[in-house]
Amino acid sequence: DTAVSQTPKYLVTQMGNDKSIKCEQNLGHDTMYWYKQDSKKFLKIMFSYNNKELIINETVPNRFSPKSPDKAHLNLHINSLELGDSAVYFCASSQEDREDEQFFGPGTRLTVL
Amino acid sequence: GQQLNQSPQSMFIQEGEDVSMNCTSSSIFNTWLWYKQDPGEGPVLLIALYKAGELTSNGRLTAQFGITRKDSFLNISASIPSDVGIYFCAGQYAGGTSYGKLTFGQGTILTVHP
Repeated sequence: DTAVSQTPKYLVTQMGNDKSIKCEQNLGHDTMYWYKQDSKKFLKIMFSYNNKELIINETVPNRFSPKSPDKAHLNLHINSLELGDSAVYFCASSQEDREDEQFFGPGTRLTVL
Repeated sequence: GQQLNQSPQSMFIQEGEDVSMNCTSSSIFNTWLWYKQDPGEGPVLLIALYKAGELTSNGRLTAQFGITRKDSFLNISASIPSDVGIYFCAGQYAGGTSYGKLTFGQGTILTVHP
């Protein structure tokens, strides 16, 4: 009965590879987000989708491409991984009229070697 | 862009003590939120504040939305060991291109000694 789930929990890969992180929410929310948390624990929003439409696209390299097949899923694909991409990536979701109250997933720790 | 300054960066306290942390912004926010992150987990919403001057409690936690709309504080009373974690403030403008865009503070790492 997990509300917001992410897979995988840990991802270790080589520089230059392409990888994907998946996110699913069973809360019936309309809006989903991706955040990046760096080694100093700073949380920064990357993208948000509302009903499968891109709403927020922060200054993120275009190697990062979110994809929302339906409003319960928001996946993050990263091309040509770089060392600086190492971080914890969090998915979150919220109701359409309560976008400030966001529910976060457990995070995916990405390590690029 | 908007920036939030959260202090203190870390706190080491004894069980039973009260804790206070705050957040200030160079810009006005319409919403202030406080989240807690346990090790290896995602942040969890503790308290949401929607009006300037609003004071809201959630158990041993109390938070206030500053009158100027540029600051907020969180108090934890009678701390217990399970209060350990990282506490984040977050602010949001309403509507427009800021829809759903939360700006987070740097976090306060709380350690509670039994």
